[in-house]
Amino acid sequence: AQSVTQLGSHVSVSEGALVLLRCNYSSSVPPYLFWYVQYPNQGLQLLLKYTSAATLVKGINDFEAEFKKSETSFHLTKPSAHMSDAAEYFCAVSSTLSSGSARQLTFGSGTQLTVLP
Amino acid sequence: DTGVSQDPRHKITKRGQNVTFRCDPISEHNRLYWYRQTLGQGPEFLTYFQNEAQLEKSRLLSDRFSAERPKGSFSTLEIQRTEQGDSAMYLCASSLETRPSYEQYFGPGTRLTVT
Repeated sequence: AQSVTQLGSHVSVSEGALVLLRCNYSSSVPPYLFWYVQYPNQGLQLLLKYTSAATLVKGINDFEAEFKKSETSFHLTKPSAHMSDAAEYFCAVSSTLSSGSARQLTFGSGTQLTVLP
Repeated sequence: DTGVSQDPRHKITKRGQNVTFRCDPISEHNRLYWYRQTLGQGPEFLTYFQNEAQLEKSRLLSDRFSAERPKGSFSTLEIQRTEQGDSAMYLCASSLETRPSYEQYFGPGTRLTVT
């Protein structure tokens, strides 16, 4: 079974500082990996995705993530944090449903990002 | 706006009552998914529809839960005899068959509180 583990349930950074949110995956096949953001009382918004093309993936709002097979990692970074980045972030892996007709997303437990002024 | 919509956004119910949630997917999206998110956790897959056919159900979907998509458009999720452990955010997502199925678009969710 494919799974993801997010290291650190809470991360605090100062405004303007580097954001680093960690995600490690477990998969017996080349994975499709995703980062989602969730603002309070809202659904999930896709930040970026890795689908076996370039290992460095750029997403919205200057976020990016690097797929490292040797480390089984897919960490999310942003060079300079903004107050508006405060939210919960989820790493996810896509796996085929047993019916074979589609894929489900399996999420990590999330990392709450706090941005300090 | 033509995104995924869910109704209601919030539901408070007493233990033992039945509740029903509705999801309207993006127009023409023939794949629809339900996920459940409990406090402090990521969403967990519950069930999947392709058009009106329910093709997959998670072990999380106990027999108190039933989901339908009668005309292949909107979907409903019903929970019978609610329990406090059912308190969660219920998320709906949709995708287009001609696109990769991991490209799922999520609705804002229905937050259920069972007292």
